Amino acid sequence: AQSVTQLDSQVPVFEEAPVELRCNYSSSVSVYLFWYVQYPNQGLQLLLKYLSGSTLVKGINGFEAEFNKSQTSFHLRKPSVHISDTAEYFCAVRNQGQNFVFGPGTRLSVLP
Amino acid sequence: GAVVSQHPSWVICKSGTSVKIECRSLDFQATTMFWYRQFPKQSLMLMATSNEGSKATYEQGVEKDKFLINHASLTLSTLTVTSAHPEDSSFYICSAGTTKETQYFGPGTRLLVL
Repeated sequence: AQSVTQLDSQVPVFEEAPVELRCNYSSSVSVYLFWYVQYPNQGLQLLLKYLSGSTLVKGINGFEAEFNKSQTSFHLRKPSVHISDTAEYFCAVRNQGQNFVFGPGTRLSVLP
Repeated sequence: GAVVSQHPSWVICKSGTSVKIECRSLDFQATTMFWYRQFPKQSLMLMATSNEGSKATYEQGVEKDKFLINHASLTLSTLTVTSAHPEDSSFYICSAGTTKETQYFGPGTRLLVL
């Protein structure tokens, strides 16, 4: 069974600083990879996804992620964060024809 | 495009009552919808896969008689929590998609059972 690990449960960072949220997955087959953001009391919003092709994926709100097959990672990055980026971030994987598996989430807190 | 709505967004009920939550795909047809449950400060856990015109597929450990799922049309799936108890209090989220690779999530329904 596939699993998703997000090593950092909480990441505090100052405004305008860069941030990286880590995601590793375990799967022996090709996967689709996703990052979602969840603001308080709201559903999930898709930030970006990797299905195939270029390993560097750009998403909304200035976020990007890089798929590294050898390291089975899909880390999320943003060069300069804003207060409004404070939220919970979930990494998810999906095998072809299978269901989503979500990581435990990382709470990003952007400090003024 | 690709908007998924849920109704209600908030519900408070007494223990022992049943609660129905609706999930609608507003601008596309979804043959498959998914229901998730999220406890505070935890990740989403898939409860069941809702298939239009057939029975839902439940994940291990999810009571199908307690969480009734109906997928009446290509744009509507409902989750009914029967005889709700305080431990059923949670955030319930549905998702739907036009392809297997991408799912669009609803805004969630927060259930509080007193």
